[in-house]
Amino acid sequence: EADIYQTPRYLVIGTGKKITLECSQTMGHDKMYWYQQDPGMELHLIHYSYGVNSTEKGDLSSESTVSRIRTEHFPLTLESARPSHTSQYLCASNPTDGGTDTQYFGPGTRLTVL
Amino acid sequence: GDSVTQMEGPVTLSEEAFLTINCTYTATGYPSLFWYVQYPGEGLQLLLKATKADDKGSNKGFEATYRKETTSFHLEKGSVQVSDSAVYFCALGSGNTPLVFGKGTRLSVIA
Repeated sequence: EADIYQTPRYLVIGTGKKITLECSQTMGHDKMYWYQQDPGMELHLIHYSYGVNSTEKGDLSSESTVSRIRTEHFPLTLESARPSHTSQYLCASNPTDGGTDTQYFGPGTRLTVL
Repeated sequence: GDSVTQMEGPVTLSEEAFLTINCTYTATGYPSLFWYVQYPGEGLQLLLKATKADDKGSNKGFEATYRKETTSFHLEKGSVQVSDSAVYFCALGSGNTPLVFGKGTRLSVIA
């Protein structure tokens, strides 16, 4: 059973607002990830981290930023939300051996920007 | 770079029908292969995996065999149920890099 949590589950917000999507895991995993998921289902990696104070941009360019101050916590921030940011955001984690270990996903945050 | 190609959906089947979702991959090394499932309103969860050639992953009646000669990892189930309706993702993992996912295949099973 995966112990990875995302809050809020749903968020409707106006253009220009600053938002932070929370992601926490209690498994002690070093590696954490943020994905943006199309309405058409495709997953796009936007950020990842391989440990505290380590963050990298993913394949899809994103205006969001992330931080990794604690192992268990990997928040994603949008400084000024726009309608184009409307999407489902999924957080995931796995142990150090990223190539072969199972990646555990949170339930997702569905963001709507009006 | 590494890539995964899976059949496009949606796939619509009647209950108890046989399911195949095709997945092929391109990789420079010897990747591990995964199938993930996403039920409505949820995140992805691991369905099965295989870490080397000829391995068969299985779970909940689903199976997939790692075929190095055809670079494939097709998902099969002998008799689908309405509760199997979901989106299925094929993925590969290699070395110390993030998983590479296919675009997903939506399955709808009707009673």
